[in-house]
Amino acid sequence: KAGVTQTPRYLIKTRGQQVTLSCSPISGHRSVSWYQQTPGQGLQFLFEYFSETQRNKGNFPGRFSGRQFSNSRSEMNVSTLELGDSALYLCASSVTSGKIQETQYFGPGTRLLVL
Amino acid sequence: DAKTTQPNSMESNEEEPVHLPCNHSTISGTDYIHWYRQLPSQGPEYVIHGLTSNVNNRMASLAIAEDRKSSTLILHRATLRDAAVYYCILRDSWETSGSRLTFGEGTQLTVNP
Repeated sequence: KAGVTQTPRYLIKTRGQQVTLSCSPISGHRSVSWYQQTPGQGLQFLFEYFSETQRNKGNFPGRFSGRQFSNSRSEMNVSTLELGDSALYLCASSVTSGKIQETQYFGPGTRLLVL
Repeated sequence: DAKTTQPNSMESNEEEPVHLPCNHSTISGTDYIHWYRQLPSQGPEYVIHGLTSNVNNRMASLAIAEDRKSSTLILHRATLRDAAVYYCILRDSWETSGSRLTFGEGTQLTVNP
């Protein structure tokens, strides 16, 4: 099976712009979660989507949003970019069997640089 | 989520065993202990998980203290490829947390040739 794929892998934007990142989960996986990783804050949970619905949300401003399509692919959007949004954005997918033991499979991430 | 405490860094020599500790004194009876690792320039990857009993898989072993207030990830023969940040994560009920993982700072493992 192909792993979790994320596009693009690298991105440079300027302050005030918006950006859309894409994540394709492993085939058959229905849950997609997004994380932000920065040197200062580490890995932080952004949100989780399941069956096109946001099921869980972390503590991020409304500028961060996402959606999930019927094929389970997901996108996240950051509007009005700030310098502090420079980070590695990671996507993870899981089958969602409803069990806490379930493994999360991460993609390689999209590295966003905001200038 | 209950908090975990790990050493910031550890060092090992290639082909020697490595014991990575994790303290979780506030763990609840239903919390699962998960370990993930993040290799350089990659996303995190699952290593192992357990509830009460010690667990083994092809990557590592997980030793859980009898009172469950601590656990140890054991790499039996470290290789250079095992150099990574190792995260110990507690997960409570799926109903409240869903698929969310709460990462701490983790332990940076350096493996010397």
